[in-house]
Amino acid sequence: QVQLVESGGGVVQPGRSLILSCGASGFTFSGYSFHWVRQAPGKGLEWVAVMSHDGVNKYYGDSVRGRITVSRDNSKNTVYLQMNSLRAEDTAVYYCAKDREMFAVGEVDYWGQGTLVTVSS
Amino acid sequence: AIQMTQSPSSLSASVGDRITITCRASQGILNDLGWYQQRPGEAPNLLIYSASTLQSGVPSRFSGSGFGTDFTLTISSLQPEDFATYYCLHDHTYPYTFGQGTKLEIK
Repeated sequence: QVQLVESGGGVVQPGRSLILSCGASGFTFSGYSFHWVRQAPGKGLEWVAVMSHDGVNKYYGDSVRGRITVSRDNSKNTVYLQMNSLRAEDTAVYYCAKDREMFAVGEVDYWGQGTLVTVSS
Repeated sequence: AIQMTQSPSSLSASVGDRITITCRASQGILNDLGWYQQRPGEAPNLLIYSASTLQSGVPSRFSGSGFGTDFTLTISSLQPEDFATYYCLHDHTYPYTFGQGTKLEIK
């Protein structure tokens, strides 16, 4: 059974940094790309980033490019999202999600339950 | 970035109704489009990928169609559990972008 569990959210001051983690189980972790998607309170979904199965290819959304970095540790079945220079508009639930196909980057199928990041002084 | 325009933004319907939601891409995206359902307080759930392929485990009352710039999600006979918010997402090029969402409410 596929499980994705995000952690690391919380309240952080503007301008500070935060690292989110996403632990995975129930499938061959090293074969899949992972995405991060966020949802501000009461708003729609925003695609944030993707990282290929081998960690080589990384792509970012326009609103976060330059401030975030995605990484993964295949030995720990974990992906990470590092966010720097946080702004109030980064306040959102952050979801990690796996790609549907192995060794590809395409649509997302399984999602974690999300972790809430609140940027506030 | 490719813009996805989803309509309507909200929709009221009754159990048993047939409804259609549309997404229009600002440029051609072949069939690189998925549809997601999100119930309140839950993570999204993939319904359709590659514009028209039903994800495993998703009821057959859901269907998708389209190619290029215009896409539709149809629910043939609404069930109580279908009242939720629906999003399209293109995966044609980076960055991916979602439609604004359609909130489906009970009439």
